[in-house]
Amino acid sequence: GENVEQHPSTLSVQEGDSAVIKCTYSDSASNYFPWYKQELGKRPQLIIDIRSNVGEKKDQRIAVTLNKTAKHFSLHITETQPEDSAVYFCAASIYNFNKFYFGSGTKLNVKP
Amino acid sequence: NAGVTQTPKFQVLKTGQSMTLQCAQDMNHNSMYWYRQDPGMGLRLIYYSASEGTTDKGEVPNGYNVSRLNKREFSLRLESAAPSQTSVYFCASSGGGLTDTQYFGPGTRLTVL
Repeated sequence: GENVEQHPSTLSVQEGDSAVIKCTYSDSASNYFPWYKQELGKRPQLIIDIRSNVGEKKDQRIAVTLNKTAKHFSLHITETQPEDSAVYFCAASIYNFNKFYFGSGTKLNVKP
Repeated sequence: NAGVTQTPKFQVLKTGQSMTLQCAQDMNHNSMYWYRQDPGMGLRLIYYSASEGTTDKGEVPNGYNVSRLNKREFSLRLESAAPSQTSVYFCASSGGGLTDTQYFGPGTRLTVL
């Protein structure tokens, strides 16, 4: 089955700096890659996603890039704010399998 | 729209007891999922249902059973709870298409003593 690895497990940045979280996947059939943000004690919520026919997608301060050849994708957060502090999960989905495989999460701490 | 709802929010069981976690969605989604979340291990899929009337095992199905009661409801049953099943359980649903977003419920925090 698919294996999704996520790095780093923790990330601490100063407010205003950028943060980058990286994920790799093993199955070249995966073609949908969502990112979720989970605040303490709350449910995961989708923040951005990308399909395999697109190399990059942006939404305000958040962007995701995908390298299909290398089988890795990354989340970029610019101008970080304290409210960005949370655990971020990447996931990969294989077409028609209705399954999502999650990375182990990155705890982002934005210091004011 | 309430989205995805789960009951109960918290539960404490003794080893060997049974219980059922309930999940319902009002978004007319085809697919529903049960995950468990343990510290440092992300979300692991227990079971999923691609459509009403079908269920399939995920990564960690042992010790669990599920029922897709109808299109709205998907329950998870622990027949004989074990301390290793102490976790936070999330239900999720999606439209079922390739890129349909998964929407998560608020979670159930289960402790097995």
